[in-house]
Amino acid sequence: GDSVTQMEGPVTLSEEAFLTINCTYTATGYPSLFWYVQYPGEGLQLLLKATKADDKGSNKGFEATYRKETTSFHLEKGSVQVSDSAVYFCALSENTGNQFYFGTGTSLTVIP
Amino acid sequence: GAVVSQHPSWVICKSGTSVKIECRSLDFQATTMFWYRQFPKQSLMLMATSNEGSKATYEQGVEKDKFLINHASLTLSTLTVTSAHPEDSSFYICSARDHTGGLGAQYFGPGTRLLVL
Repeated sequence: GDSVTQMEGPVTLSEEAFLTINCTYTATGYPSLFWYVQYPGEGLQLLLKATKADDKGSNKGFEATYRKETTSFHLEKGSVQVSDSAVYFCALSENTGNQFYFGTGTSLTVIP
Repeated sequence: GAVVSQHPSWVICKSGTSVKIECRSLDFQATTMFWYRQFPKQSLMLMATSNEGSKATYEQGVEKDKFLINHASLTLSTLTVTSAHPEDSSFYICSARDHTGGLGAQYFGPGTRLLVL
């Protein structure tokens, strides 16, 4: 079945450091891939998405590229800020259905 | 962008009482909404899929008589936790899929934190 495996945290970085959060997936079809962010005490917000192979999703300085050959969708940001501290979830959805599969989440803390 | 609201955001209740949580899509119609439960420092667990005008589809292991879902209109779904017990304390999050917005994204509500004493 479909699943998402996400880098375990927590991750602690200094401000302006480079961020990578790894995400790999298993899917039977051709899913869309997503990164969601959850700030403390809040629900999930869509950060970026990619709907087909080689697509790059980007938002707020974050990027992720849909790599079919490695079944990956790693999240990157060149220079993190304190305000990026949150939990990040990788997710996939088969385009023919409603089911979303979430990774376990990676907690990021950015220190000044 | 698409906005989903939840009400209430926080609820504390006594054991044995029932609690209703509302989920609304504010600027789009959602024929399908989803209810998730999130335990501290864990990922979201899909509880059920709520379909407008029909019965909800529950995931394995979720008691449908315990967690009553009603999707009465294209913008409103409700989750009622019946006879709540302390083990039902959790963060409940709903989401809605905007089918007109292209493939994929679900839009999430801000969540409802339930504490059962």
